[in-house]
Amino acid sequence: DAMVIQNPRYQVTQFGKPVTLSCSQTLNHNVMYWYQQKSSQAPKLLFHYYDKDFNNEADTPDNFQSRRPNTSFCFLDIRSPGLGDAAMYLCATSRDVGANEQFFGPGTRLTVL
Amino acid sequence: AQSVTQLDSQVPVFEEAPVELRCNYSSSVSVYLFWYVQYPNQGLQLLLKYLSGSTLVKGINGFEAEFNKSQTSFHLRKPSVHISDTAEYFCAVSEIYGNKLVFGAGTILRVKS
Repeated sequence: DAMVIQNPRYQVTQFGKPVTLSCSQTLNHNVMYWYQQKSSQAPKLLFHYYDKDFNNEADTPDNFQSRRPNTSFCFLDIRSPGLGDAAMYLCATSRDVGANEQFFGPGTRLTVL
Repeated sequence: AQSVTQLDSQVPVFEEAPVELRCNYSSSVSVYLFWYVQYPNQGLQLLLKYLSGSTLVKGINGFEAEFNKSQTSFHLRKPSVHISDTAEYFCAVSEIYGNKLVFGAGTILRVKS
């Protein structure tokens, strides 16, 4: 089945230790998104790629970076995780922007010790 | 900029009873509207979307929603809920031709037997 895959599902890191979260898709979609969802809150868009074009949200901290080496993969790098970065990180894809449905992966729950 | 208000953080309801989850939005431009469902420790799944045309939109799992432009609302309804409908429901909005989904804070639907 075509899908959005996130690895790992659970990630534990130490305060200040860089961590990378992975997302892959078999849908061949043009757009890939990263959302941060803190407990009992709505998902918040961090950034998205339209093909190779990177689009950062204005309020996304510099601590968060992303890479998209090819159509299928997208990575979220947190350079120096703080306790406030503990959250569920959701990857999503869409064929295009606008009316197109976004397909979400299962998420990676990040714990910062 | 758009914003979404989900008026109820939690809605308890008995099995086989009807339910309505309320959503109001604010935008200075025309928008598309979406409802997503999130089961525990999973990603978001699209229930239904309104793009244009008929204001009554039918989705998966027996859910439907009605777009009311004058009241800027997009309430989600189901005539008879099941235990399996217990989940968190998010209303979201995006600008037409836009690339960003703005989510409401979510409503937890708890179905009791």
